[in-house]
Amino acid sequence: EDQVTQSPEALRLQEGESSSLNCSYTVSGLRGLFWYRQDPGKGPEFLFTLYSAGEEKEKERLKATLTKKESFLHITAPKPEDSATYLCAVQPGYALNFGKGTSLLVTP
Amino acid sequence: DAGVIQSPRHEVTEMGQEVTLRCKPISGHNSLFWYRQTMMRGLELLIYFNNNVPIDDSGMPEDRFSAKMPNASFSTLKIQPSEPRDSAVYFCASSLSTGEGYTFGSGTRLTVV
Repeated sequence: EDQVTQSPEALRLQEGESSSLNCSYTVSGLRGLFWYRQDPGKGPEFLFTLYSAGEEKEKERLKATLTKKESFLHITAPKPEDSATYLCAVQPGYALNFGKGTSLLVTP
Repeated sequence: DAGVIQSPRHEVTEMGQEVTLRCKPISGHNSLFWYRQTMMRGLELLIYFNNNVPIDDSGMPEDRFSAKMPNASFSTLKIQPSEPRDSAVYFCASSLSTGEGYTFGSGTRLTVV
């Protein structure tokens, strides 16, 4: 059965304190791994898609990496506006299977 | 582009009542998904349409749930009769093809009392 596990469940950082979020997955035939950001009261917002091990993508303070078993979302020098829930999803077929997310709080 | 539009944003209803949630996907997208989000279970896929045809409804919890897509620009998710355990946020998402990330709507927060 396809599974996506995200850790930690919650993370509190000081502004400027870099860290990484983890997404471990087991899936038969990965078509893609996705990262989304979700703000309270809103729908998930697409960040990145990674397709093969070794691939990396960056956007502002965020960098996503992928191995055969896990993906990391690295946050460099975060700001309070980066506070949100970050969701990881795998696509074995047509649908996305989501993890439960990491709730990130960045304090000034 | 206005994105994926869902209505209503909030719905409070009494147990046993019929509830209809609505979704307008992004123009040109040929795949549409309904998801349900709860604290306990996270985001769960309910049903997937491709070119207006239901492809996989295995995530629909029970016969009380039904979904339709009469045309490329409109879909509904209906719960009849509703129960308190149906309380959740329901999201609609659309994509251009099944190989790309989805665009989500803002969701409908359903509360059944």
